[in-house]
Amino acid sequence: NAGVTQTPKFQVLKTGQSMTLQCAQDMNHEYMSWYRQDPGMGLRLIHYSVGAGITDQGEVPNGYNVSRSTTEDFPLRLLSAAPSQTSVYFCASRTTVYDNQPQHFGDGTRLSIL
Amino acid sequence: DAKTTQPPSMDCAEGRAANLPCNHSTISGNEYVYWYRQIHSQGPQYIIHGLKNNETNEMASLIITEDRKSSTLILPHATLRDTAVYYCIVRLPSNGANSKLTFGKGITLSVRP
Repeated sequence: NAGVTQTPKFQVLKTGQSMTLQCAQDMNHEYMSWYRQDPGMGLRLIHYSVGAGITDQGEVPNGYNVSRSTTEDFPLRLLSAAPSQTSVYFCASRTTVYDNQPQHFGDGTRLSIL
Repeated sequence: DAKTTQPPSMDCAEGRAANLPCNHSTISGNEYVYWYRQIHSQGPQYIIHGLKNNETNEMASLIITEDRKSSTLILPHATLRDTAVYYCIVRLPSNGANSKLTFGKGITLSVRP
């Protein structure tokens, strides 16, 4: 049981490039989400999914797309990278949408946009 | 979500119990107390949560005062790998899909050899 796995761990992009951050969980969790963490800003919710085929926007969705074709995978796509998207990105999952359940986080992707 | 107050830092010796305090004097009746931690360069990690009763799992114990205005996270035998920032969060669970965790400044625990 690996939990939540994120790849890559580090990435450097040039402005305007696109890329996909991968997230996979093997706990059969319905709910998955993406956060970004910036100094002094705490965790900010980008997108979330309550099940396969269902996604929605969080508080900072601009510049990012997501899809959820399977229960296990929830990739985050940067459409055209901008320096403001330099951040640490965390994928999280929990059993159901009811948020009393603990959230499980991946170890993050550290992304730098030049 | 109720406001929490934690001291900025504390340390303890390896092998000893680490007792991390949290004040939440404005907690309401249905709000839970959660503890997460973040080890440097890793993602946040869930530790434990509770409503009224004391709770224990393989990682830690959570002691909640009878009036629920404060709580203590206990790591019974701290190791160097427990050095991290620990976050006490008080919140009302919901079915809101766009709900998110909000971490305060937390308490930095340093475990010394």
